[in-house]
Amino acid sequence: DSGVTQTPKHLITATGQRVTLRCSPRSGDLSVYWYQQSLDQGLQFLIQYYNGEERAKGNILERFSAQQFPDLHSELNLSSLELGDSALYFCASSAGLPHSDTQYFGPGTRLTVL
Amino acid sequence: AQKVTQAQTEISVVEKEDVTLDCVYETRDTTYYLFWYKQPPSGELVFLIRRNSFDEQNEISGRYSWNFQKSTSSFNFTITASQVVDSAVYFCALSEAKAAGNKLTFGGGTRVLVKP
Repeated sequence: DSGVTQTPKHLITATGQRVTLRCSPRSGDLSVYWYQQSLDQGLQFLIQYYNGEERAKGNILERFSAQQFPDLHSELNLSSLELGDSALYFCASSAGLPHSDTQYFGPGTRLTVL
Repeated sequence: AQKVTQAQTEISVVEKEDVTLDCVYETRDTTYYLFWYKQPPSGELVFLIRRNSFDEQNEISGRYSWNFQKSTSSFNFTITASQVVDSAVYFCALSEAKAAGNKLTFGGGTRVLVKP
């Protein structure tokens, strides 16, 4: 158990809908990361937050947004969902030390868009 | 731009055989960090090791060992005397010191199947 929690574990929804994925980092970690794992794209970095502020952005679609709250939990919002958004979404956390710390991953949320 | 290549998509071995997973990376940064993660059938990503670019010492942890060679930009992973529980997808990843944030760039993964 990495100490990172993600809810829900599974999510099934329809095209055009909006969903929110939630992540709680390990105790004491200030950085939260979101990754998407799909069959065609592999594991891709989406976005990083550090202590409530956006730190880095990857190939995150405009339909997707995220935030980190004062209690350090994070939410990833996916809107106008398309079939291609079906994937496993991972949250990871780290202490936030610049470039030298290790990211620990949560169990993931499997999103299925029908 | 950073890139990680895991040329082996799938490796099948019989229990107790050794298996080596290749990882080749590309980066223009002189300071970077390399990682290996394991993804068992249950789906979670489990951290195995982190290596700094300025530390080329090889590392052994139980049946796992890692061979880091800067000259060939490789960070290979060997499982000695494989067991069925080693069946998983293994990912190599890279983080650059000069990049904004700490994002990981992952290779495509190598699926290891250990047969009894």
